[in-house]
Amino acid sequence: ETGVTQSPTHLIKTRGQQVTLRCSSQSGHNTVSWYQQALGQGPQFIFQYYREEENGRGNFPPRFSGLQFPNYSSELNVNALELDDSALYLCASSIGPLAGGPSETQYFGPGTRLLVL
Amino acid sequence: GESVGLHLPTLSVQEGDNSIINCAYSNSASDYFIWYKQESGKGPQFIIDIRSNMDKRQGQRVTVLLNKTVKHLSLQIAATQPGDSAVYFCAEIASGGSYIPTFGRGTSLIVHP
Repeated sequence: ETGVTQSPTHLIKTRGQQVTLRCSSQSGHNTVSWYQQALGQGPQFIFQYYREEENGRGNFPPRFSGLQFPNYSSELNVNALELDDSALYLCASSIGPLAGGPSETQYFGPGTRLLVL
Repeated sequence: GESVGLHLPTLSVQEGDNSIINCAYSNSASDYFIWYKQESGKGPQFIIDIRSNMDKRQGQRVTVLLNKTVKHLSLQIAATQPGDSAVYFCAEIASGGSYIPTFGRGTSLIVHP
């Protein structure tokens, strides 16, 4: 196990609703990244937080937003849910945001499975 | 556009055989590559990584080969075991910025006992 936890494990919402997903990073890690993984696809980068600031963003609309707290845990918020938002949402934590080697390796949590009806 | 892709979506092998999973990448700026294993119901798990200044790196039962000339990456698993059954992703990271890996689609490895 990586020490990264996510909640809830599963969630069902209806179109137009809002959702908040939570992630607790591994001890000693100050960077959290969020990914969306559609069925049969690889994870797609949503955004990254480093020391409570957004440190990079993928090709996702503004209705995907996030927060990182002083203890480095993080939330992913999605507003105005659409059917295509149904996916596994993964959180990954790491020591720092800079590419450098194994110490910057991202450790993934088990994910939150979101179903939008 | 730039992308990371895999040649084979599914690979079936017998227990004890060696497995080879391939990956093509197209971003010449990528200088760090990682292989992840994702078991059903779990998040991706780091297996092994390699920098662009290396051609080969070995771990326990796994070897990653990098051919920069043809932009090709492979993961070799020796003596494949049923517990190796999973989806394997390669990911590339371009230099000079945030550590944001770009993942390919994945290859499903099925190991038959």
